[in-house]
Amino acid sequence: DAGITQSPRYKITETGRQVTLMCHQTWSHSYMFWYRQDLGHGLRLIYYSAAADITDKGEVPDGYVVSRSKTENFPLTLESATRSQTSVYFCASSESGGPSYEQYFGPGTRLTVT
Amino acid sequence: RKEVEQDPGPFNVPEGATVAFNCTYSNSASQSFFWYRQDCRKEPKLLMSVYSSGNEDGRFTAQLNRASQYISLLIRDSKLSDSATYLCVVFQVSGGGADGLTFGKGTHLIIQP
Repeated sequence: DAGITQSPRYKITETGRQVTLMCHQTWSHSYMFWYRQDLGHGLRLIYYSAAADITDKGEVPDGYVVSRSKTENFPLTLESATRSQTSVYFCASSESGGPSYEQYFGPGTRLTVT
Repeated sequence: RKEVEQDPGPFNVPEGATVAFNCTYSNSASQSFFWYRQDCRKEPKLLMSVYSSGNEDGRFTAQLNRASQYISLLIRDSKLSDSATYLCVVFQVSGGGADGLTFGKGTHLIIQP
């Protein structure tokens, strides 16, 4: 059982390039999330999705685009990568969006923007 | 945005000892509380939820103090495998609902042999 997977696991890209991070979950969870984790910060929410074709902004959405055409996939695109977007990106999913839900995280993508 | 504060540590603790750390939150309307564990360069994983009456899971005990707005995690008989970063996570009511989780920066725990 794969659970939640992310690809690529490591990515180096140049400033100004577009890059897409993939997230796939096999549990049919309704909710999916993208976070970034940087030194000196806790996990910060970029975007989330309550269902296919429903997405909403989190705390730090600028410079990112998401889509969710299928329940199981939630790609994150950096339209024009900047050095400040160098980070570890985690995708997560959960059954529901209520206050008692557990989020299951993918293994992360380490992105370096040069 | 409302804050969740943790002592970053590191806490260096000998194997077999008891260690405790706290987390404070600023939003008194916070509804749910969790401890997540994150191993080095890995993804966070839920350790335990924190209930109003306090709860225990094996060597781990979590407490909630709503009046003082803090939660605590106590680890008894610590093992080398307990070395990790412990993230305090609070669900705070916000407009969208599902974006209500706020993560602390984590407390780094090192268990020494």
